[in-house]
Amino acid sequence: EVQLVQSGAEVKKPGESLKISCKGSGYSFTSYWIGWVRQMPGKGLEWMGIIHPGDSETRYSPSFQGQVTISADKSISTAYLQWSSLKASDTAMYYCAKKGEYFQHWGQGTLVTVSS
Amino acid sequence: QSVLTQPPSVSGAPGQRVTISCTGSSSNIGARYDVHWYQQLPGTAPKLLIYGNSNRPSGVPDRFSGSKSGTSASLAITGLQAEDEADYYCQSYDSSLSGYVFGTGTKVTVL
Repeated sequence: EVQLVQSGAEVKKPGESLKISCKGSGYSFTSYWIGWVRQMPGKGLEWMGIIHPGDSETRYSPSFQGQVTISADKSISTAYLQWSSLKASDTAMYYCAKKGEYFQHWGQGTLVTVSS
Repeated sequence: QSVLTQPPSVSGAPGQRVTISCTGSSSNIGARYDVHWYQQLPGTAPKLLIYGNSNRPSGVPDRFSGSKSGTSASLAITGLQAEDEADYYCQSYDSSLSGYVFGTGTKVTVL
């Protein structure tokens, strides 16, 4: 069974750094892209970027380029999404998703709250 | 601001048929990129509902169907049921943005 298990909810202050994770299992982790999707409170889905764990090729949405960093450690089948300096506007639910031609399997989401 | 436009809400009585439109442009749906649909039940992660414009993953009831024509796509739900109350999103690829795009989302309410 394909599973994507994300790290737990985080509460941070503006200016702090953060790295959240997404661990894949039940499939060949290095063969499929992993994407990250943001959902702000009460809003829709926004594609942030995508990484191929096999060679770490990464692509970002223009809206998120330079705002976040996507990485992966194939030795532990885990993808990451990180911020160097959080803002209150980063408060959202973040989902990872395994992608073939489409986002076929999704993680449970990680809620990030940024508040002073 | 999404490049795929959906109606904010649709509603119907149990048993009725509802449709959700997803309007794009020549750089996404009109460029023959496939459209996929996701269902997001309240408080849960999105779930793949339709892939490749009109295909249902295993386990998705045949009450759900998808189609695509020109620069638009549609999701139809026939025999609406209470458990279909959710948010629905279309998704495609956009060559101008060189990335994936989601629709604005549609809330389906069962009356």
